[in-house]
Amino acid sequence: AQRVTQPEKLLSVFKGAPVELKCNYSYSGSPELFWYVQYSRQRLQLLLRHISRESIKGFTADLNKGETSFHLKKPFAQEEDSAMYYCALWDIGNEKLTFGTGTRLTIIP
Amino acid sequence: EAGVVQSPRYKIIEKKQPVAFWCNPISGHNTLYWYRQNLGQGPELLIRYENEEAVDDSQLPKDRFSAERLKGVDSTLKIQPAELGDSAVYLCASSSRQENTGELFFGEGSRLTVL
Repeated sequence: AQRVTQPEKLLSVFKGAPVELKCNYSYSGSPELFWYVQYSRQRLQLLLRHISRESIKGFTADLNKGETSFHLKKPFAQEEDSAMYYCALWDIGNEKLTFGTGTRLTIIP
Repeated sequence: EAGVVQSPRYKIIEKKQPVAFWCNPISGHNTLYWYRQNLGQGPELLIRYENEEAVDDSQLPKDRFSAERLKGVDSTLKIQPAELGDSAVYLCASSSRQENTGELFFGEGSRLTVL
């Protein structure tokens, strides 16, 4: 069974400091991984996906198959980054998206 | 473009009462999902529809939960009777099967409180 683990429920970072939100997964096939974000009073939305290998709002995430990780990083945190972040794994065969428990990121001014 | 629309946004009921949630997906999206999100947890899949067919309902507690998508567009999720443990946010999401990318578009959710 697939599983997504986000070990940190809460993370506080000072503005301008680097951010890293951790995500580990277990999956028997070739994974497709995503980061979703939910800003205050907004709906859950896609932030980025590993296959596109792009930077969104300054965030990047690299898939490390050896460590089964997909950590989200940003070199300089901004106040508008405060939100709930969910790592998710897409099961292509079953078309099922499995979420982690989420990390609440708070940027301290 | 209108996003996924859900109603009601909030619902407070007493245990053993019935409740229903409605979802209108993005136009043209064949795939519709219902997720449940308990406090402090990530969303968990309840049921997935391809057009009007429920293709994955393995996580739906069928003794009290039911869902339908009669014309392959709007969907309704029902709980009867509700229990205290059903308090959660119920999220509807849709996606385009042609793209099959894993990008789901979510509604704002329906927050249920069972007293």
